[in-house]
Amino acid sequence: DAGITQSPRHKVTETGTPVTLRCHQTENHRYMYWYRQDPGHGLRLIHYSYGVKDTDKGEVSDGYSVSRSKTEDFLLTLESATSSQTSVYFCAIRSGEETQYFGPGTRLLVL
Amino acid sequence: QQQVKQSPQSLIVQKGGISIINCAYENTAFDYFPWYQQFPGKGPALLIAIRPDVSEKKEGRFTISFNKSAKQFSLHIMDSQPGDSATYFCAASSPLVRGFGNEKLTFGTGTRLTIIP
Repeated sequence: DAGITQSPRHKVTETGTPVTLRCHQTENHRYMYWYRQDPGHGLRLIHYSYGVKDTDKGEVSDGYSVSRSKTEDFLLTLESATSSQTSVYFCAIRSGEETQYFGPGTRLLVL
Repeated sequence: QQQVKQSPQSLIVQKGGISIINCAYENTAFDYFPWYQQFPGKGPALLIAIRPDVSEKKEGRFTISFNKSAKQFSLHIMDSQPGDSATYFCAASSPLVRGFGNEKLTFGTGTRLTIIP
């Protein structure tokens, strides 16, 4: 599992509330990623980080923000959750030149 | 704009048969092509990957075939087993202008493979 944990694993929240998902890694990887997975869309990149305090947008970044204040933690925040953000969220790290390894996922339901 | 197109969406294969999943890409800058396997409730796991300097890569029962001129690559699972039943994703990445390397993967939409006894 490349030492990746995600918390919470499941969350139910209401529209308009803020939500923060946490990704924690134990192997000091520089690159970390947040994806969402939806039926018919595969995995789509939300944001990624290439170092502490260094982040960039992916293809579906609207409505999401991220922070990385230390190497091991990458936080994904939904400032005001919407029903369209109901999804399964995966964190990933990059090991070596290209290989990405994924965490176990967080299932988020926005009512 | 979907840069990696995957087919079929779902596939049913008899035990012992060959499962074939296809992907096509548009971006000629892509230079790394991994396949991921995902079981229900789990994160995707890297299965096998290829670079365009070779036309085929084999690891056990899993083979990637790559056709650079056609911009297509495929996953072949030989002697398919019920334990291979999972969702498979192809992906591709390219170096970015910034020069950090292959940071971003673009995924296909996935193929749900079912192996029946």
